[in-house]
Amino acid sequence: NAGVTQTPKFQVLKTGQSMTLQCAQDMNHNSMYWYRQDPGMGLRLIYYSASEGTTDKGEVPNGYNVSRLNKREFSLRLESAAPSQTSVYFCASEDFHTNTGELFFGEGSRLTVL
Amino acid sequence: GNSVTQMEGPVTLSEEAFLTINCTYTATGYPSLFWYVQYPGEGLQLLLKATKADDKGSNKGFEATYRKETTSFHLEKGSVQVSDSAVYFCALSFSTLGRLYFGRGTQLTVWP
Repeated sequence: NAGVTQTPKFQVLKTGQSMTLQCAQDMNHNSMYWYRQDPGMGLRLIYYSASEGTTDKGEVPNGYNVSRLNKREFSLRLESAAPSQTSVYFCASEDFHTNTGELFFGEGSRLTVL
Repeated sequence: GNSVTQMEGPVTLSEEAFLTINCTYTATGYPSLFWYVQYPGEGLQLLLKATKADDKGSNKGFEATYRKETTSFHLEKGSVQVSDSAVYFCALSFSTLGRLYFGRGTQLTVWP
């Protein structure tokens, strides 16, 4: 079972470059999320999508855009990368209608911005 | 607002020692509470949860009890193993919002 798949797993960018992190889930979940994880900060929500066709800002959306391409896929785009965006990014999904609160996470994408 | 506070790490224990990781929360309402675990190089995975006051969540020898009076959800295990070495995150959620608020995480290292 694939679960939540993120690509790429590692990426190095120069300041000002753009890139897109891809996320796909095969569990037929409605809700998907992008978090960033920084040392001593826990996980902070960047954007989420409660269902196909909708996206909403989380705690730290500045500098990011998202696209909910279809029910399976939710991408995160950095238009002009900055060193402050060096982080580990996690995509997660949830079957919102069951209201269990259990998120299923991908393995993470480690991004370094020089 | 909604927030979760965890004890500072790292926590270092010998195998078979007793583990407690403290977690308290602030919330407007009655959230569900969770413990997630992150093993090295992996994403987070749900360890246990409790959805209402006095509920006890348990899994893999870990336990946590939802204490509304003290707004706490402390994680405990009677005898830790080397394989329990990981980062542990306390979190809360309101099902109507469908999103989690995480604590900062506590790194646990267990030595043989």
